[in-house]
Amino acid sequence: DAKTTQPTSMDCAEGRAANLPCNHSTISGNEYVYWYRQIHSQGPQYIIHGLKNNETNEMASLIITEDRKSSTLILPHATLRDTAVYYCIVRVRTGNQFYFGTGTSLTVIP
Amino acid sequence: NAGVTQTPKFQVLKTGQSMTLQCAQDMNHEYMSWYRQDPGMGLRLIHYSVGAGITDQGEVPNGYNVSRSTTEDFPLRLLSAAPSQTSVYFCASSYSGNEYFGAGTRLSVL
Repeated sequence: DAKTTQPTSMDCAEGRAANLPCNHSTISGNEYVYWYRQIHSQGPQYIIHGLKNNETNEMASLIITEDRKSSTLILPHATLRDTAVYYCIVRVRTGNQFYFGTGTSLTVIP
Repeated sequence: NAGVTQTPKFQVLKTGQSMTLQCAQDMNHEYMSWYRQDPGMGLRLIHYSVGAGITDQGEVPNGYNVSRSTTEDFPLRLLSAAPSQTSVYFCASSYSGNEYFGAGTRLSVL
């Protein structure tokens, strides 16, 4: 089931903030929003997750709308190493089934 | 602390051959899972395990078997390889909802 919708691709200038949107209009009350990224066919890497409050860590910020139907991942100062495919996933925290879509291919431009 | 280790990194098989992809984790995680990723696609869940002795099917289980005799190991067996199983295979383990992925096994079936 495709629970999330993301743009296929985005560009961002190096040093600028990258804002990656995700729609998840059918999200359930107990489902979290997770973000992962995959750099050049390596294994996906965890970035951040949240339930309803905005979250920030050393890598990124996650902004979730009040109705929880969409979210935005923010990379505050994008670098060339942030070029990757970014996946937005919704799932219950204790479940083990991640369903990846095709994600957003982010290209950071020098 | 090695994290999630997958072997081999590369493998070429002939149609009909069988083989086992190995996955080991040293983080004492209960949850482990196998995904495949075809070119230009997101990851698709093959099988998963919520603990030793317990396994279940994901989205695309046909042609694959798994077992979980220990917490550390979660091997994936291809019973009779087919060209459609040419893909990159990722193993992951998780605790409290955050997945940690291995580096992947690139499999070609001729």
